[in-house]
Amino acid sequence: GAGVSQSPSNKVTEKGKDVELRCDPISGHTALYWYRQSLGQGLEFLIYFQGNSAPDKSGLPSDRFSAERTGGSVSTLTIQRTQQEDSAVYLCASSPSTTLRETEQYFGPGTRLTVT
Amino acid sequence: KNEVEQSPQNLTAQEGEFITINCSYSVGISALHWLQQHPGGGIVSLFMLSSGKKKHGRLIATINIQEKHSSLHITASHPRDSAVYICAVSHTGNQFYFGTGTSLTVIP
Repeated sequence: GAGVSQSPSNKVTEKGKDVELRCDPISGHTALYWYRQSLGQGLEFLIYFQGNSAPDKSGLPSDRFSAERTGGSVSTLTIQRTQQEDSAVYLCASSPSTTLRETEQYFGPGTRLTVT
Repeated sequence: KNEVEQSPQNLTAQEGEFITINCSYSVGISALHWLQQHPGGGIVSLFMLSSGKKKHGRLIATINIQEKHSSLHITASHPRDSAVYICAVSHTGNQFYFGTGTSLTVIP
């Protein structure tokens, strides 16, 4: 079956512009994560959605970052007024279980964002 | 100090060698994950474990909760095992902490 998909695969934007990154989780997966991987750095947790519950936004680095998940499925990560330090690969993962912490995650291919 | 520490940072092995990658963590966890990231960036979840040991093919993962330590072993290593291996722990709440990864190169 289809895995987690993300779009676009690459995005180049000018500093100060807004960008939207999309994640389509595996059908039926209730939990969805966004992560960021900066060049040479480890993965960094950004935000977590579980079903229709309020998202856990504790990992968002600034108020320029926001995310939503419509209908418990597709998610969009929005970065406003992009800065060069936002350049990174943004990864989405989904999981089938309500007890997300104890189940495996399925990762998308990522969106490589470059802010010039 | 990082909540998750991995060692070694880089590892080169000859094909066929037994490989061990270590992960230590400093927070209370509900589970530990081993991930594999190939060149090009795709990430695959290898193991999720909260106690004991799991085996999948040539890969073995162990965890010692008391010592807050996990190891990933690869038996009979092969060049296709070359990748970055990442240890991650799920903390109380929804937070995940990641190690910086171990870059493995297996030489034919």
